[in-house]
Amino acid sequence: DADVTQTPRNRITKTGKRIMLECSQTKGHDRMYWYRQDPGLGLRLIYYSFDVKDINKGEISDGYSVSRQAQAKFSLSLESAIPNQTALYFCATSDLTGGDTGELFFGEGSRLTVL
Amino acid sequence: GQNIDQPTEMTATEGAIVQINCTYQTSGFNGLFWYQQHAGEAPTFLSYNVLDGLEEKGRFSSFLSRSKGYSYLLLKELQMKDSASYLCAVLDSNYQLIWGAGTKLIIKP
Repeated sequence: DADVTQTPRNRITKTGKRIMLECSQTKGHDRMYWYRQDPGLGLRLIYYSFDVKDINKGEISDGYSVSRQAQAKFSLSLESAIPNQTALYFCATSDLTGGDTGELFFGEGSRLTVL
Repeated sequence: GQNIDQPTEMTATEGAIVQINCTYQTSGFNGLFWYQQHAGEAPTFLSYNVLDGLEEKGRFSSFLSRSKGYSYLLLKELQMKDSASYLCAVLDSNYQLIWGAGTKLIIKP
């Protein structure tokens, strides 16, 4: 089983619908992230959380919200999906304790299409 | 502002050597990462440099010059499976990762 699991892997929805992408991890990391990736733009940070009580906006948080239900779970919601939110979404974890480098461990991605 | 620059696309021949450059301007520096990403898949970690110099790991090496804000990833004995995008990312003073747009590497037989 993957250390970082995202569901769903693929989703097609319509404009205006509410969508939730879920992420769970078994690495025991405190830090979790949601990124989106668009062709030619690289990875852009939507939200991040350094522990259960800590939620922070990234560079493109408008139109998104998150919930950190537990250390292992971090969900991303699109309150009212629009077509320009069509993208590949990645959840990631990291741990800067114990001398770790801060390397990110990614989930397999969730491809979202908004019609 | 913070900025990471890397070439958009490069082409190389199977069995050859290719160098992918990355230049950065960030608020502070706590290390530089290289990730490999095959199309439609998650990025996977390749290397981490925090001190100047060359880090070698099998066919892949990564170099860092902090004074020049410059890094490169060197891939030797290229294989077809090395066709992928290579992402450069810098950990800034707030321990936030700043990402480049990635370099798509095309390997030809």
